[in-house]
Amino acid sequence: ILNVEQSPQSLHVQEGDSTNFTCSFPSSNFYALHWYRWETAKSPEALFVMTLNGDEKKKGRISATLNTKEGYSYLYIKGSQPEDSATYLCASLNTNAGKSTFGDGTTLTVKP
Amino acid sequence: NAGVTQTPKFQVLKTGQSMTLQCAQDMNHEYMSWYRQDPGMGLRLIHYSVGAGITDQGEVPNGYNVSRSTTEDFPLRLLSAAPSQTSVYFCASRPGVQETQYFGPGTRLLVL
Repeated sequence: ILNVEQSPQSLHVQEGDSTNFTCSFPSSNFYALHWYRWETAKSPEALFVMTLNGDEKKKGRISATLNTKEGYSYLYIKGSQPEDSATYLCASLNTNAGKSTFGDGTTLTVKP
Repeated sequence: NAGVTQTPKFQVLKTGQSMTLQCAQDMNHEYMSWYRQDPGMGLRLIHYSVGAGITDQGEVPNGYNVSRSTTEDFPLRLLSAAPSQTSVYFCASRPGVQETQYFGPGTRLLVL
């Protein structure tokens, strides 16, 4: 059974702070790493799909990096805003069969 | 495109009853998955499919059946509902393993 771990479990920051979270995943047979943003009472929404070691992706103030050799990915949010408050999930695929294993998420709260 | 649709949005069952959660997508995606979300446990994979006629088990398949007779539809059947199956169920689809996964709005199930 794959084990995907995310840290911290929760995070409270002030508006304007920059922050980052970690996703750890099994490095063997790595196929892809997905990041999602999940707002309360909504469905998870894809942020990034990362496949290559050293990948860096960016969408506005949010960016992510990937290290497949050591099995971790970082998600960065620059200048956090209250609307960034959500749970951020990562999911690892370690075969090409489409079988995702999710971490439990990092819940971010940004205070105005 | 309607994207990924799920019905019903909310359902109450008595222990021992059976029902089918419907999931459909109109994006011609090959890969479809069912997840359940429980407090503090993130998303757990129930069953998934890599194309019409092909399904496989995820992390928590017991008590659930699936079939994939068409590309568009991926119903989830609860054979004999138990209180432990009280959860929020999400269906998701994606065109390929290394591509963005899209989630439906979810079905909230309460088993009494």
